[in-house]
Amino acid sequence: DAKTTQPPSMDCAEGRAANLPCNHSTISGNEYVYWYRQIHSQGPQYIIHGLKNNETNEMASLIITEDRKSSTLILPHATLRDTAVYYCIVRVPYTGTASKLTFGTGTRLQVTL
Amino acid sequence: DSGVTQTPKHLITATGQRVTLRCSPRSGDLSVYWYQQSLDQGLQFLIQYYNGEERAKGNILERFSAQQFPDLHSELNLSSLELGDSALYFCASSDGPRGNEKLFFGSGTQLSVL
Repeated sequence: DAKTTQPPSMDCAEGRAANLPCNHSTISGNEYVYWYRQIHSQGPQYIIHGLKNNETNEMASLIITEDRKSSTLILPHATLRDTAVYYCIVRVPYTGTASKLTFGTGTRLQVTL
Repeated sequence: DSGVTQTPKHLITATGQRVTLRCSPRSGDLSVYWYQQSLDQGLQFLIQYYNGEERAKGNILERFSAQQFPDLHSELNLSSLELGDSALYFCASSDGPRGNEKLFFGSGTQLSVL
């Protein structure tokens, strides 16, 4: 499985863009990059995923480098409600018999006034 | 609201006991996943079921077992409980398995073993 490396914590001022980096240098060609977040002991929440193109949805943008060895999750206008642990996950390739997400330690994002 | 329902929200029991955690997936979802989250281990994948059949196993102890019923709800049974089993247990569902499905998580069951 490809491993991910994220900074343990980051701060961001409310209203500013939060840029959360993730390294996944051993990613293989058919593995997707997923982002989830967990707000204080709630169940993790899906944010976005991508394979090699940049992606955007109503929550965030995902920028994946051309060599796919790293990515950045962008929350364009962070609010206090975005304070959470953010998990970058490289998806175990679907083998036809099993699929799962493996969560690492994530980045604890603190949004401040 | 993710649409995934877990009961009970809190469970307090004693060592050596057996408990059952219940999960109802989102309407239409065929896959159910169980995860355990403890303070020192983070989120650990336990097991996945798809349409009643076991599809993947993670770090699930032999004292733990799960099943998915014909109506697609799932139960996680934890037996011979130890203090170290105290954790948050999450259920998630998806319409998979496919290569890139999203998981929708419930709000969890907080298990305290005293």
